[in-house]
Amino acid sequence: QQQVKQSPQSLIVQKGGISIINCAYENTAFDYFPWYQQFPGKGPALLIAIRPDVSEKKEGRFTISFNKSAKQFSLHIMDSQPGDSATYFCAASTNSGNTPLVFGKGTRLSVIA
Amino acid sequence: GAVVSQHPSWVICKSGTSVKIECRSLDFQATTMFWYRQFPKQSLMLMATSNEGSKATYEQGVEKDKFLINHASLTLSTLTVTSAHPEDSSFYICSARDQGVSYEQYFGPGTRLTVT
Repeated sequence: QQQVKQSPQSLIVQKGGISIINCAYENTAFDYFPWYQQFPGKGPALLIAIRPDVSEKKEGRFTISFNKSAKQFSLHIMDSQPGDSATYFCAASTNSGNTPLVFGKGTRLSVIA
Repeated sequence: GAVVSQHPSWVICKSGTSVKIECRSLDFQATTMFWYRQFPKQSLMLMATSNEGSKATYEQGVEKDKFLINHASLTLSTLTVTSAHPEDSSFYICSARDQGVSYEQYFGPGTRLTVT
């Protein structure tokens, strides 16, 4: 019940296209859903996050869509660029300062020109 | 804002020696810090939760006597890998939760440990 399932494992997108990564969770107590971007040899960087009181959040080319009833959320990267090539992790946590994030297994995105 | 630093960024040590990794929140206070381990092409594996002024909480299967964690202040947590073995070679990453913004968690740049 603590798992966050992420798909696909890897994704290849043409430059200018839309990259879509999906995550699903079981624990209905989760109420914070961030996405992290990680480049090789670097720590993850917080990209965008959403709370369940909204169904969508957009920041620049990055959008999170959230479906509370389906217990799913997704990351959309519009106008994907080669510089977006990285590993993306979804995560979830509950409302507690001591509660660690539960991470998905990650998606390796390659944006090709 | 919200910067977490780690030192060193990489370290090579001999089997049997100990290595200390520092994690600092530079522009915010962190009551809670987390230590992760990451193998190549895999997700982050939580090792322990570090709370300022109290003992760390270790995840199942993580040896607390081998991976010593100290969170002495609101901006500093340390991970000491004791009696290191080659199988301890990995990428260690810390994260810190900004206690002023309850949810957001920021990661350090990671420390590459190689044990020879």
